Amino acid sequence: AQSVTQPDIHITVSEGASLELRCNYSYGATPYLFWYVQSPGQGLQLLLKYFSGDTLVQGIKGFEAEFKRSQSSFNLRKPSVHWSDAAEYFCAPNPPCRGNEKLTFGTGTRLTIIP
Amino acid sequence: DTEVTQTPKHLVMGMTNKKSLKCEQHMGHRAMYWYKQKAKKPPELMFVYSYEKLSINESVPSRFSPECPNSSLLNLHLHALQPEDSALYLCASSQAAGGAPNYGYTFGSGTRLTVV
Repeated sequence: AQSVTQPDIHITVSEGASLELRCNYSYGATPYLFWYVQSPGQGLQLLLKYFSGDTLVQGIKGFEAEFKRSQSSFNLRKPSVHWSDAAEYFCAPNPPCRGNEKLTFGTGTRLTIIP
Repeated sequence: DTEVTQTPKHLVMGMTNKKSLKCEQHMGHRAMYWYKQKAKKPPELMFVYSYEKLSINESVPSRFSPECPNSSLLNLHLHALQPEDSALYLCASSQAAGGAPNYGYTFGSGTRLTVV
């Protein structure tokens, strides 16, 4: 069965510290991989995406993610977080099947930033 | 225009009311989606429209009725809802239509629905 796991429900990080949010997936084939961010009471914004090629992808707001096929992971990183990064982060694999448009989300990781 | 616009932003309705949520995009996207998001949960897919035709219905109760009048508009008609239907309803669109699921989705900011 296809699944996505975000092991960390809640992470607290000091402003200026580095960040890594974990995402593991289980699919028959490598899915297309996305990270979305949701600020309180808002919709979701696409941070970055991976289809193929270079396994380190750069996104908006200084975020990057690394695809590791051997670990079935697509972890999100940021070298130095800002207070405005406090939000919910969702990993979202999209099955690479023609005609399958069911983008599904992991359970999310809530990021709290402390001064 | 790179946005998905949802109206209203907030809606309170009684269990006997009929209301509609609206979603609009002018990016030329040919796939549009409705998601439901309960507090502290990820969004859950409800419906997918591809080229204005319903392609996926995730076993949503009939009190939710989607409609896609044209390629830019998506409605969600609500009737006889229950308090447990209170949630954030998100609309999204993507270029993907029938086979190119490698595009990201653009989400609206949602309609916060409260059923009383």
